[in-house]
Amino acid sequence: DIQMTQSPSSLSASVGDTVTITCRASQGIRASVSWYQQKPGKAPDSLLYAASRLHSGVPSKFSGSGSGTDFTLTISSLQPEDCATYYCQQYFSYPWTFGQGTKVEIK
Amino acid sequence: QAQLVESGGGVIQPGRSLRVSCAASGFLFSGYGMHWVRQAPGKGLEWVAVIWHDGSNINYADSVKGRFTISRDNSKNTLYLQMDSLRAEDTAVYYCARDYHRTSVDSWGQGTLVTVST
Repeated sequence: DIQMTQSPSSLSASVGDTVTITCRASQGIRASVSWYQQKPGKAPDSLLYAASRLHSGVPSKFSGSGSGTDFTLTISSLQPEDCATYYCQQYFSYPWTFGQGTKVEIK
Repeated sequence: QAQLVESGGGVIQPGRSLRVSCAASGFLFSGYGMHWVRQAPGKGLEWVAVIWHDGSNINYADSVKGRFTISRDNSKNTLYLQMDSLRAEDTAVYYCARDYHRTSVDSWGQGTLVTVST
């Protein structure tokens, strides 16, 4: 199975900051990565697929990049409503696998 | 607007069976693959299984293979997950989710909690 390793596991930033979350795959997976946001007690929301493509309705403050084994999710102009846990996920092969999550908090 | 509503969760003893369901509305259910994703209390997301739109292809996580069965009834717009030989480590919120071109999921249900305990 392909392992997805996220870093950091948590971060704290100020309102207005730009934050970056990294996800590393255990083998090359082209651009086969999606990103999700989950707020406490809620179902996840889908943010991006194909490493950099936004799902419908997702604000452009979220962006992604990467190919091969290294991927990033960037959140610009961090706001209190962005406080959540973010997960990467690979769909290069089954079984799909998620990263362990990155918790984003406001400083 | 896609809507997914899970049901059937509850408390069940280890070794027993349980079936959870997901009722879909607001989209052409028979045109989409569907997934189950679970989340143990305080833990991250774990992908469980997928079934293609017509049921022609099914895949499972290693942790549930041989014990869980995903199925669908397109005439009823309903997705199922039959869970047999349940273990304590299967305790989780089970989400159904709609496949997005085999790249991710784009709609999620609210989840149903399954607790495996004596």
